[in-house]
Amino acid sequence: DADVTQTPRNRITKTGKRIMLECSQTKGHDRMYWYRQDPGLGLRLIYYSFDVKDINKGEISDGYSVSRQAQAKFSLSLESAIPNQTALYFCATSELLAGDMADTQYFGPGTRLTVL
Amino acid sequence: AQSVTQLDSHVSVSEGTPVLLRCNYSSSYSPSLFWYVQHPNKGLQLLLKYTSAATLVKGINGFEAEFKKSETSFHLTKPSAHMSDAAEYFCVVSDRKSNTGKLIFGQGTTLQVKP
Repeated sequence: DADVTQTPRNRITKTGKRIMLECSQTKGHDRMYWYRQDPGLGLRLIYYSFDVKDINKGEISDGYSVSRQAQAKFSLSLESAIPNQTALYFCATSELLAGDMADTQYFGPGTRLTVL
Repeated sequence: AQSVTQLDSHVSVSEGTPVLLRCNYSSSYSPSLFWYVQHPNKGLQLLLKYTSAATLVKGINGFEAEFKKSETSFHLTKPSAHMSDAAEYFCVVSDRKSNTGKLIFGQGTTLQVKP
């Protein structure tokens, strides 16, 4: 979905390096999420943010940090990358609508990260 | 705790035959359920969602899913498979208890469509 973009799309890095993955959205949504996908495990939530001042840990936040620079931008950082952080990373956005019992999330195209 | 189990990691059908992808959920609250599809090297696209309205939910590309509370199931079906349906499919439940909008994903089912 072009409304949610991620950069870079592919990245190869070495153990111990700091790396940042960026996500931008033009949907005007307040909520943003970072997930990682591993084969056979589905997607797991790393961090989520409901607005610029609200950041929350997901189920697998260890080794990661995030920054919500603006409503439209949400970055994920690996301070010191390790090989088991090799995965496909997705950013998503959502907007909780009045009367909607479940806010639909819209996903970016993903960033494939390889840590050697 | 809420959880989702996709009963098949891989499903293979012939083009033109029906598709059935099975999903069971566990939730202490009335769940909101989704099916997403991921084509190779693509992001996730919403196929359909259930939010306690009609139990039979119609989605895009001819897919539909039926919510069955008695069976705690939300199986995805399509009457006739097309080659372009080959992809990975995720059954997802929304964590409504915490009102965070967090999604809990199943492990995924890879659909193969043979000519």
